[in-house]
Amino acid sequence: NAGVTQTPKFRVLKTGQSMTLLCAQDMNHEYMYWYRQDPGMGLRLIHYSVGEGTTAKGEVPDGYNVSRLKKQNFLLGLESAAPSQTSVYFCASSTDRATQETQYFGPGTRLLVL
Amino acid sequence: DQQVKQNSPSLSVQEGRISILNCDYTNSMFDYFLWYKKYPAEGPTFLISISSIKDKNEDGRFTVFLNKSAKHLSLHIVPSQPGDSAVYFCAASAINYGGSQGNLIFGKGTKLSVKP
Repeated sequence: NAGVTQTPKFRVLKTGQSMTLLCAQDMNHEYMYWYRQDPGMGLRLIHYSVGEGTTAKGEVPDGYNVSRLKKQNFLLGLESAAPSQTSVYFCASSTDRATQETQYFGPGTRLLVL
Repeated sequence: DQQVKQNSPSLSVQEGRISILNCDYTNSMFDYFLWYKKYPAEGPTFLISISSIKDKNEDGRFTVFLNKSAKHLSLHIVPSQPGDSAVYFCAASAINYGGSQGNLIFGKGTKLSVKP
């Protein structure tokens, strides 16, 4: 029972490069989320999905795209990485919005953009 | 403008004593509040929650108090243990308003250190 897994764990990019972060969950959750956490800051929502094939913008969506082609996977893409996107990225999933069933988080992906 | 504020970046307490972590919010639409705990190099994990219809929720050593009129909540840990040393995030959402209002808004976190 893996819960929420994220790939890769760490990545270094040069400005302008692209990459995709993969999030997978094995709990059959409908909702999935991508957050970023910067030093001294709380988690900020980038994009989220309320079900397979659906995505929506969160608080800080600029510079990112997402896709939810399969229920268990939620991909976060950076088309042209910028140093401002250096951060730790967390994926989460939940059966419902954060009420009785809370969000389960992955271990994070640390991204450094040079 | 921060909607969820944790004004104390850090807190240090002695093992066995009470830890009190505070959180203030500005959005009166928030109706559900949660505390998450985060260890280094790990994702946050859910700790305890409270609905706006309650003023207290207790789970073992952890109790969350909600003062709606003051837009303030607090997490009490009694007794504190060295394993409680972590960053604690307060989060809030407006569940009953639907749509994007149901998304969690996080505070910046408070780093708790429990000394043996």
